[in-house]
Amino acid sequence: DTAVSQTPKYLVTQMGNDKSIKCEQNLGHDTMYWYKQDSKKFLKIMFSYNNKELIINETVPNRFSPKSPDKAHLNLHINSLELGDSAVYFCASSSTGREQYFGPGTRLTVT
Amino acid sequence: RKEVEQDPGPFNVPEGATVAFNCTYSNSASQSFFWYRQDCRKEPKLLMSVYSSGNEDGRFTAQLNRASQYISLLIRDSKLSDSATYLCAVMTASGTYKYIFGTGTRLKVLA
Repeated sequence: DTAVSQTPKYLVTQMGNDKSIKCEQNLGHDTMYWYKQDSKKFLKIMFSYNNKELIINETVPNRFSPKSPDKAHLNLHINSLELGDSAVYFCASSSTGREQYFGPGTRLTVT
Repeated sequence: RKEVEQDPGPFNVPEGATVAFNCTYSNSASQSFFWYRQDCRKEPKLLMSVYSSGNEDGRFTAQLNRASQYISLLIRDSKLSDSATYLCAVMTASGTYKYIFGTGTRLKVLA
């Protein structure tokens, strides 16, 4: 009975490739997020969508493009992957202004 | 100065000990506060929200000090299973709801 799910869990790919990560939540939340957690364990917000509308877009290379087809789904597409993109990407969801619930993470390794 | 700061630790404590962590934040307009627990290679999981009057959940007590701009987490009677990284999160509402996480405090409970 997964609340926030992400696929894939692991992603190993070469530099220059394009990849996508998918996220789904069944909590009925109206806001979804993408976070990046690097090797130093710092959890940094990348994007936030509220009711399919982009509301937070932090300083992220435009190789990263989020897309929210509906309130329950948020995908992240990454073009031209670079070594520095290697990290764990977490999806999260919340009701507006409330606590967040995280997905299990996607561990991306770029070689 | 970082927006949200935590002592990275590690805090090494014996089983049964009481341990406390602090988290300071710089934005006085911050509205909501949370503690998350993150196990190695797992997602952050909500431990508890922090209310203005302080709140307790079993062995865990959270406090908010708005004047000095910090939140605290107290763990009584530490268990081996409490070993994890504890992240604080601060939510600010200025147009949009934005969550900023601390880098976490690592706790090791020793037998």
